[in-house]
Amino acid sequence: EVQLVESGGGLVQPGGSLRLSCAASGFTFSDYWMSWVRQAPGKGLEWVANIKQDGSEKYYVDSVKGRFTISRDNAKNSLYLQMNSLRAEDTAVYYCARDRYSYGNNWFDPWGQGTLVTVSS
Amino acid sequence: SYDLTQPPSVSVSPGQTARITCSGDALPKKYAYWYQQKSGQAPVLVIFEDSKRPSGIPERFSGSSSGTMATLTITGAQVEDEADYYCYSTDSSDNRVFGGGTKLTVL
Repeated sequence: EVQLVESGGGLVQPGGSLRLSCAASGFTFSDYWMSWVRQAPGKGLEWVANIKQDGSEKYYVDSVKGRFTISRDNAKNSLYLQMNSLRAEDTAVYYCARDRYSYGNNWFDPWGQGTLVTVSS
Repeated sequence: SYDLTQPPSVSVSPGQTARITCSGDALPKKYAYWYQQKSGQAPVLVIFEDSKRPSGIPERFSGSSSGTMATLTITGAQVEDEADYYCYSTDSSDNRVFGGGTKLTVL
């Protein structure tokens, strides 16, 4: 069974840092691009970042560029999101998701259960 | 920026057909995907590539797309289908976008 389990969320002050982790199992992790997607409380979904199989390509939504860094460790089947200079508007549930690609289209499947990040003083 | 537009809410009685629309300028050239998110849970893919159903998704879920509009149809909606539904697609520059979500009420 494909499984993604996030951890590392919590309460952090504005300007602070947090590192999220996602442990993958049930599939060959190194074969897939991976993404982080977030959802602010009561709001919709927003793609945050993704990373290529070997980590050589990384992409970010404009609002987190320069503050967040996505990375992975294929030996540990793990995905990470280092979040620095956190702002109140970064408060959200952060989901880890496996990227799928086909004929120039992409989507996310499956998703982890999410980890809540709260940025507040 | 690219937008996918969904109605905020749709309401049906059990057994009726629910239709949720998603409009976007790039949909004639890009597939639409649909996610179901029940309260407090992670999103689950229910339709991919406009009309394909992943294994384990009930047959009452179907999808279609024509021009700039994609539609998720739930034929014979059940109480357990009550959830938020999000469409997803990309634009010509591969920017990844979710619709604003539609709250489906079945009662």
